Amino acid sequence: GQQLNQSPQSMFIQEGEDVSMNCTSSSIFNTWLWYKQDPGEGPVLLIALYKAGELTSNGRLTAQFGITRKDSFLNISASIPSDVGIYFCAGYNYGGSQGNLIFGKGTKLSVKP
Amino acid sequence: ETGVTQSPTHLIKTRGQQVTLRCSSQSGHNTVSWYQQALGQGPQFIFQYYREEENGRGNFPPRFSGLQFPNYSSELNVNALELDDSALYLCASSQDRGGSPENGYTFGSGTRLTVV
Repeated sequence: GQQLNQSPQSMFIQEGEDVSMNCTSSSIFNTWLWYKQDPGEGPVLLIALYKAGELTSNGRLTAQFGITRKDSFLNISASIPSDVGIYFCAGYNYGGSQGNLIFGKGTKLSVKP
Repeated sequence: ETGVTQSPTHLIKTRGQQVTLRCSSQSGHNTVSWYQQALGQGPQFIFQYYREEENGRGNFPPRFSGLQFPNYSSELNVNALELDDSALYLCASSQDRGGSPENGYTFGSGTRLTVV
């Protein structure tokens, strides 16, 4: 099935570091979403973006909707241990007849040993 | 307000068997979507149910089928299980079929299916 291109696949963080990840698609979406998934849980919505060029923050998280509507990035500032987990981007066409999300493969955040 | 609940949480089945997974949608939500998440992958859309009818389907064979009940809860049925069906199956509910992800699209914790 279709998946978005998400990078990096994994990264190690040290507490206090800033983190950046991005997502690209061959298709246009009118909505970009970022989710976090902890082990044994379903994805939890972090940020929703509805307009090309939009920059939205949620606490230490900031995400942007690319101008071409084919990409998005997520930044986490001053990371803390509870930021560890898997982050997924998802493209979505809000208001359409179907409501299916197209997900990336995820970026796994781990703590540096 | 209760969230999305799925049952069972874990299940082991033998190849060729059939399985039924269940999902109760969040209060006020009338649409249920099912996703399959293989290990190390993002969730893949299976299908969506709205007003008890299938409303969109991903690239999954007919042996994946579903139901939605008048109370908006849903079942996912998989016949003739294959080893590759081993995955986390996620249910997500929303207010409407094209609904705002801010107000809906709440995921359950999933059912971990292992086919041996």
